[in-house]
Amino acid sequence: GQNIDQPTEMTATEGAIVQINCTYQTSGFNGLFWYQQHAGEAPTFLSYNVLDGLEEKGRFSSFLSRSKGYSYLLLKELQMKDSASYLCAALDSNYQLIWGAGTKLIIKP
Amino acid sequence: GAVVSQHPSRVICKSGTSVKIECRSLDFQATTMFWYRQFPKQSLMLMATSNEGSKATYEQGVEKDKFLINHASLTLSTLTVTSAHPEDSSFYICSASLGFENSPLHFGNGTRLTVT
Repeated sequence: GQNIDQPTEMTATEGAIVQINCTYQTSGFNGLFWYQQHAGEAPTFLSYNVLDGLEEKGRFSSFLSRSKGYSYLLLKELQMKDSASYLCAALDSNYQLIWGAGTKLIIKP
Repeated sequence: GAVVSQHPSRVICKSGTSVKIECRSLDFQATTMFWYRQFPKQSLMLMATSNEGSKATYEQGVEKDKFLINHASLTLSTLTVTSAHPEDSSFYICSASLGFENSPLHFGNGTRLTVT
């Protein structure tokens, strides 16, 4: 079956760095997305990886290893506004999105 | 670019009534739009895929006669919750992509439906 695993919750300190991991098992693979979702709001697109390696966008970076079925989202210089859920989603061979349950990130002062 | 507008943002209705939710792509043409439902502290659940000019494709377990989807134009899809019941209370979110197979989904702001 198809499956996305990511931690349920993580806690980090303001100004620090946090890495949110995601492993996936899908029927075929056409890329992986990361979304940010604040409580009570719709998800916002953060990144898309289809090739192995690291993609950097300001304070956020996303990494993909296709051979390991693994991705991570790296958040640097954490700010209180980064407190949110982070959703990992993989595109399968039919270009259907398979969603993880999300990782709730709690930032402490 | 790639803005998706969803309306209303919040709606409270009485049990047995119907509610229509609109989803518009403001600056691009969306051949396909997606409707999700999200219960508190749970992940997004895909309800249906809405294709312009044709019938929507519903996920298993989603009643197509209860959740009516219309995608009459390339910029508008609507979801109507018919004969709503309290268990239909949820966060409904639409999304659309630019149409390329690996283009990201852009989400509307969601509609918080409360059925009393």
